Amino acid sequence: SQQGEEDPQALSIQEGENATMNCSYKTSINNLQWYRQNSGRGLVHLILIRSNEREKHSGRLRVTLDTSKKSSSLLITASRAADTASYFCATAADRGSTLGRLYFGRGTQLTVWP
Amino acid sequence: SAVISQKPSRDICQRGTSLTIQCQVDSQVTMMFWYRQQPGQSLTLIATANQGSEATYESGFVIDKFPISRPNLTFSTLTVSNMSPEDSSIYLCSSGLAGAAWGEQYFGPGTRLTVT
Repeated sequence: SQQGEEDPQALSIQEGENATMNCSYKTSINNLQWYRQNSGRGLVHLILIRSNEREKHSGRLRVTLDTSKKSSSLLITASRAADTASYFCATAADRGSTLGRLYFGRGTQLTVWP
Repeated sequence: SAVISQKPSRDICQRGTSLTIQCQVDSQVTMMFWYRQQPGQSLTLIATANQGSEATYESGFVIDKFPISRPNLTFSTLTVSNMSPEDSSIYLCSSGLAGAAWGEQYFGPGTRLTVT
């Protein structure tokens, strides 16, 4: 299975602290993406990092990718209560017969306390 | 980014009945995807819907249970047939966008289904 694995499964921090979530996957990828899901809602696309990139930033988000270890991390700096959500990594395999499908990890539930 | 809407946003249905979920995208897209998210779980791909051809189903999902229509480049429906309580989940549609990165998808708000 290409499904990724996030850790930790749950993370609880205070506002202002940084939150780091990790994702591992099993096969070669074209890119890796991070999504956020507020309770029971749709997924919001946060950031995409290509297989030839090592680090990417977007606002308070920093994503790293290590293809040799098949792992990625998502760092949220100066967290806010509004960052409370589930975070999923998803990998897109190389082009071919995969039709652009994504393989999702199990997610990390982040709780940020005011 | 695309705006994707779903109807209904939630429903409570009796076992044995069927529910059709609609997904509308505000621009023309080639691929649309349907996912299921069981309570507390991650997303599982049900099928990929390509306009003008039969949907491609993932292992464990069959057309008789989850028939899909894709009549044009902006719209798709997923029907959950002969429902049982095990079908209680959030159902999400997604699509890529022209010019977006390979595999980059945008999601609708989801349909929360409860089967009693």
